[in-house]
Amino acid sequence: KAGVTQTPRYLIKTRGQQVTLSCSPISGHRSVSWYQQTPGQGLQFLFEYFSETQRNKGNFPGRFSGRQFSNSRSEMNVSTLELGDSALYLCASSLAPGVYQPQHFGDGTRLSIL
Amino acid sequence: AQSVTQLDSHVSVSEGTPVLLRCNYSSSYSPSLFWYVQHPNKGLQLLLKYTSAATLVKGINGFEAEFKKSETSFHLTKPSAHMSDAAEYFCVVSQSNTGNQFYFGTGTSLTVIP
Repeated sequence: KAGVTQTPRYLIKTRGQQVTLSCSPISGHRSVSWYQQTPGQGLQFLFEYFSETQRNKGNFPGRFSGRQFSNSRSEMNVSTLELGDSALYLCASSLAPGVYQPQHFGDGTRLSIL
Repeated sequence: AQSVTQLDSHVSVSEGTPVLLRCNYSSSYSPSLFWYVQHPNKGLQLLLKYTSAATLVKGINGFEAEFKKSETSFHLTKPSAHMSDAAEYFCVVSQSNTGNQFYFGTGTSLTVIP
């Protein structure tokens, strides 16, 4: 069974641009979560989607948004990019929401802002 | 509120010696606890999980962890370190009143000395 697939793996943008990252969950998984990982802040929760609905949202500005499609694939969008948005963005999927459901992670998209 | 503290940011062990990575949590409700491993430029891989069943949890690659409620700890151990164990390890807590939101520790970097 294929794992969580994130595209692209690497991305370079400049300040003020916007970017869209994509995540394809494991087949059959319907919950998708996004995280930002930086050396200074560690892993921070961005948001979680289930059945095309955002269920939880972390403490990030409105420039960060996401959506989930009917096939459970998810996209994350960041507008008006800032230098501080440089990070590894990780997507994780699980069968369904719930504390007993472990999350399975993709290899991430490394976003660099110049 | 829930949080997780990884007591050591770096741990070094010699190959073939035991590994101990320490994790303490705080939680107002019965938590689910996980350990994940991250190799360079990769996503996080689930090592093991505790979800209110047996307190001694066995995971992949010879790792295990023991849930000790009285000490609010969930330390990760392995009897004999292998070079391939060198990586970053994350302790994670989740609980029912936060939906599927996971809270990550700051990570412990494990170095294995040949």
